[in-house]
Parts: sequence; structure tokens; C-alpha cells
Amino acid sequence: EDQVTQSPEALRLQEGESSSLNCSYTVSGLRGLFWYRQDPGKGPEFLFTLYSAGEEKEKERLKATLTKKESFLHITAPKPEDSATYLCAVQAEGNTDKLIFGTGTRLQVFP
Amino acid sequence: DTAVSQTPKYLVTQMGNDKSIKCEQNLGHDTMYWYKQDSKKFLKIMFSYNNKELIINETVPNRFSPKSPDKAHLNLHINSLELGDSAVYFCASSQGLAGREQYFGPGTRLTVT
Repeated sequence: EDQVTQSPEALRLQEGESSSLNCSYTVSGLRGLFWYRQDPGKGPEFLFTLYSAGEEKEKERLKATLTKKESFLHITAPKPEDSATYLCAVQAEGNTDKLIFGTGTRLQVFP
Repeated sequence: DTAVSQTPKYLVTQMGNDKSIKCEQNLGHDTMYWYKQDSKKFLKIMFSYNNKELIINETVPNRFSPKSPDKAHLNLHINSLELGDSAVYFCASSQGLAGREQYFGPGTRLTVT
């Protein structure tokens, strides 16, 4: 069964303290891995898509990487405005367009 | 300009009632979705439509009926509401069926009392 597991469940960082969020996945064949950011009371906001092992994408303080079994979202020198829940999702081959989400990592960055 | 919009944002109703949630996207996408996010924040797909054709129906009770009048709209009608239907419902859209990012609406918080 296709599955996505995110860790840690929650992460508290001091402003400027870099860290990484993990997304482990099990799929029959990966079509794409997606990272989203969700703020309280809002819909998920698209960040990155990764398609193959070794691929990396960057946006401001965020960098997403992908291996055959997991993805990392690296946050460099985070700011309080980076506080949000980060969701990872996979799309498996043969599953048309269904996204399978993990339960997210709730990130809090303190000044 | 709102890319994916939903109405209403909040919906409070009693058990047994019938209610609808509307979704519109102005991105020119051909595929639209409904997701349910439960109290533990777990997001799970319910339905997807591509060019008004139902593609995914993910083991959802038949009290839930999606309707897509055109590519830009996807509505969700729920009959005989139950306490367990309380959740946040998100609409999303994408271009094409596979491998493309999905853009989400702001959500509709449904509370059944």
C-alpha cells in the first residue's frame, strides 16, 4: 500500500537555527513528490515538485531533495514567518492524479 | 485574484440536513478535486474530475455527491449530514491528470451538531 510518513511531528527552532524535515515514502512507482506549506485556517500552498532521485529544488530559505525512499526539506536560517505545517505528498504511477499526503510537520520558529 | 475559491468558508448545520459547498477555479485547469482534512489535520482525497468526468471516487459514502457543471466549477453536495462529516473540505485544481502540482482553495469548515 502506498504510504507517506513525515517526521518529526513537531519542530521548534530558534530563528537562524537550520534544520531538516523528513518525508519517507513507499509507493509502487513514484510519479512525483510534492511539498506544501499550510498556515492555520488556510489551504495548502504549493512549494516544490520532485520527480526523480537526486533532484533538488530551492526557494528562498527552503531546499527540497529526493532519494529513492525519502525526501528532505532543509530550512536554512529560518525566520518566524516560516512557521507553518509542512506537508509532503506523493503521486504514484497508475494512480492517475491522486495525492497521498503525510500527516505533516508543524514548524515553529521563535525570534 | 483568487485562483481557487470556495463558498462558504464556514458551515454550521444540524444532523440530517443537506448542504452544498461550491468551488470555482480561474486557472484554466481541467482537473478538480475534493479533499477532506480531519481533526488531526490528515488530508485525504475524496473525488477528482477531469473535463467534467469523474476520475476518482475514493470510498466515500454515497451521501456525498460531486457535480461538475463545467471545467471551472466543482460542487460537493452532502445529504443527511452526520457528526462524523465535521471536517475541513478543500477544493483543488491542476492541469492534466498526472505529475502536476495541485492548487488548493482556502477550505470550508463544516461543523455538524
